Amino acid sequence: DIQMTQSPSSLSASVGDRVIITCRSSQNIRNYLNWYQQKPGKAPKLLIYAASNLQSGVPSRFGGSGSGTDFSLTISSLQPEDFATYYCQQSYSLPRTFGQGTKLDIK
Amino acid sequence: EVQLVQSGAAVKKPGESLKISCRGSGYNFSTYWIAWLRQVPGKGLEWMGIIYAGDSDTKYSPSFEGQVTFSVDKSITTAYLQWSSLKASDTAIYYCARQATAGSSYLDFDFWGQGTLVTVSS
Repeated sequence: DIQMTQSPSSLSASVGDRVIITCRSSQNIRNYLNWYQQKPGKAPKLLIYAASNLQSGVPSRFGGSGSGTDFSLTISSLQPEDFATYYCQQSYSLPRTFGQGTKLDIK
Repeated sequence: EVQLVQSGAAVKKPGESLKISCRGSGYNFSTYWIAWLRQVPGKGLEWMGIIYAGDSDTKYSPSFEGQVTFSVDKSITTAYLQWSSLKASDTAIYYCARQATAGSSYLDFDFWGQGTLVTVSS
């Protein structure tokens, strides 16, 4: 199985801050990497697919980059609705695997 | 509008059986896989496996093989996840999600069900 490791596991930030979350895979997954946002009591929501493509309807302050084994999710200017948990996920092979999550809360 | 609607919460005792459902609408149900994912409250996401709605081909995660069974009734665009003998450790939220392909895919899990909380307690 491909292991996905996110950092940090938790992060405190303020509205307006620029935030970067990183994700590393245990083997080369090219750009088969997705990012999800999950708010309490809700299903995850796809934000970024194929490492850098914004899903329809997702604000442009979200951005993704990387390929191979190292990836990042950037939120350029945090808004109140962005405080949530973020997961990376590889879609290169089965079984699909997720990072452990990064909980982003208000400083 | 694509939607996946799951059945409601369930409370069961250890050893009991359970079948939960996920009904798809707004897209060609038979040409997609349905994934099942588990989330223990307060924990991360685990992919349990997938079932192809067109022919019921299934692929289980090794972690869940033999523990659960997937099925689908394409005539009513509904996928199912079932247990024959529940354990307390099965307590979790279970999500279904649309998955485009079993191979490498640039677009996984673009639509999700709302989740079904399964509680197993004596």
